[in-house]
Amino acid sequence: QKEVEQDPGPLSVPEGAIVSLNCTYSNSAFQYFMWYRQYSRKGPELLMYTYSSGNKEDGRFTAQVDKSSKYISLFIRDSQPSDSATYLCALTSNDYKLSFGAGTTVTVRA
Amino acid sequence: NAGVTQTPKFQVLKTGQSMTLQCAQDMNHEYMSWYRQDPGMGLRLIHYSVGAGITDQGEVPNGYNVSRSTTEDFPLRLLSAAPSQTSVYFCASSLTSNAGELFFGEGSRLTVL
Repeated sequence: QKEVEQDPGPLSVPEGAIVSLNCTYSNSAFQYFMWYRQYSRKGPELLMYTYSSGNKEDGRFTAQVDKSSKYISLFIRDSQPSDSATYLCALTSNDYKLSFGAGTTVTVRA
Repeated sequence: NAGVTQTPKFQVLKTGQSMTLQCAQDMNHEYMSWYRQDPGMGLRLIHYSVGAGITDQGEVPNGYNVSRSTTEDFPLRLLSAAPSQTSVYFCASSLTSNAGELFFGEGSRLTVL
C-alpha cells in the first residue's frame, strides 16, 4: 500500500465550478501537508502549506486537513481555465523526505 | 534570481552509458534533492542533501550517485543507464527550516534506449 493515495482523475469541469481534490495517507507521523501545482512540462510549484488540522484559505484556494481520518483536501472556487494543471499532494514529518501523491490532472473548460 | 537551474533539459542515452544531470540554485538553500516523476507514480525521492558534504538516500537510490561539494550545486550521476531510468528528473531545493516548501527546477527528460 502506498503511503499517500491520490485519485489520478482526470477531472474536467466547466469554468466557474468548484474543484475538489483529495488525498488519503497511512503514516500518522506526517505533520506537514502541502499542495503543489504543476503545469504541463514544468516543475511543481507550492500552492498551499499547512501543519494542523482544519482549514486554510488563500484566495480561491482552501486546504483542509483531517488528521484523525488521515485525509486532506484542496478546493478551488470559481475555477478558471488557468487552473488547468496537475495537482499533487505532499506530506512530510519534517525529516526532509516528502511523500507525494500521484497527482490529479484538472482541466477547466471555458 | 534564476532559482533552480537544471541541465540538460532533454537527453537520449543508450543502455550502459553514463551521464550527469546538473542542478544549481542561487537562493543559498541548504537542502537540495533529486526526484524522478513517472506516470501514475508521482514524484519519488532519489537522493537528498542537507548541506555541503552531506548526502543521503531517498526512496529509489539504486543506479544513481550524488555529491555536494558546494551549497549551490547538486549533480546526479547515472552510472550505467538502464531503460527503467527513462523518466523526468526534477531537482528541488529549500531552506532546511522549511523542508516542505520546495523550489523545483523545470526538469530533465531522459530517455534510455
